[in-house]
Amino acid sequence: QSALTQPPSASGSPGQSVTISCTGTSGDVGNSNFVSWYQQHPGKAPKLMIFEVTERPPGVPDRFSGSKSGNTASLTVSGLQTEDEAHYYCSSYAGSTSVIFGGGTKLTVL
Amino acid sequence: EVQLLESGGGLVQPGGSLRLSCAASGFTFRPFAMNWVRQAPGKGLEWVSGISVSGASTNYADSVRGRFTISRDNSKNTLSLQMSSLRAEDTALYYCARDSYSNTRGSFAIWGQGTMVTVSS
Repeated sequence: QSALTQPPSASGSPGQSVTISCTGTSGDVGNSNFVSWYQQHPGKAPKLMIFEVTERPPGVPDRFSGSKSGNTASLTVSGLQTEDEAHYYCSSYAGSTSVIFGGGTKLTVL
Repeated sequence: EVQLLESGGGLVQPGGSLRLSCAASGFTFRPFAMNWVRQAPGKGLEWVSGISVSGASTNYADSVRGRFTISRDNSKNTLSLQMSSLRAEDTALYYCARDSYSNTRGSFAIWGQGTMVTVSS
């Protein structure tokens, strides 16, 4: 299976909002309630930010939100802060207990 | 403290074998599916393999199927990955990750710090 498609980069100024897209197919994102988003700072392990398309784990700020339309999921970060600068990866359940990740998006806070 | 601690990485020649381990602590290991995710240097995340709570259900990425074997020991709270016929493209940081469900669904709430595998002659 091919990786989910994410833009390589995204950027925004502090306080602004930015949305990162994640495009798959009807075999994964389009028919899955298990879409997740991860944040990864350099040299660190990934951190779960969104699961089940829209849900936030405890401790994740409500500035982070997820959505989905058709085969495309999106992560929106509102009120950008400097600490939000990181790589972001989407993932989707792809059936038969397999998972597929996106290629990753580097978010720069200008 | 909730923790996953990977070990077993190292330098191995192409065609060689290596066994990775992941020790879980600070949470109840048994009710959750466990997975291996890898990240090649400077690259993105790639799901490698997952195993259900009982170990009865396992799955693998196409890139490793037939060469890697995942297993778990719920009595010892450990996850393992036996890797054989290793290739240069298997070079990566291998993470152990706990799913939020009893079967792999990709909601990896807990991650280890990773163990590095380098395949080179």
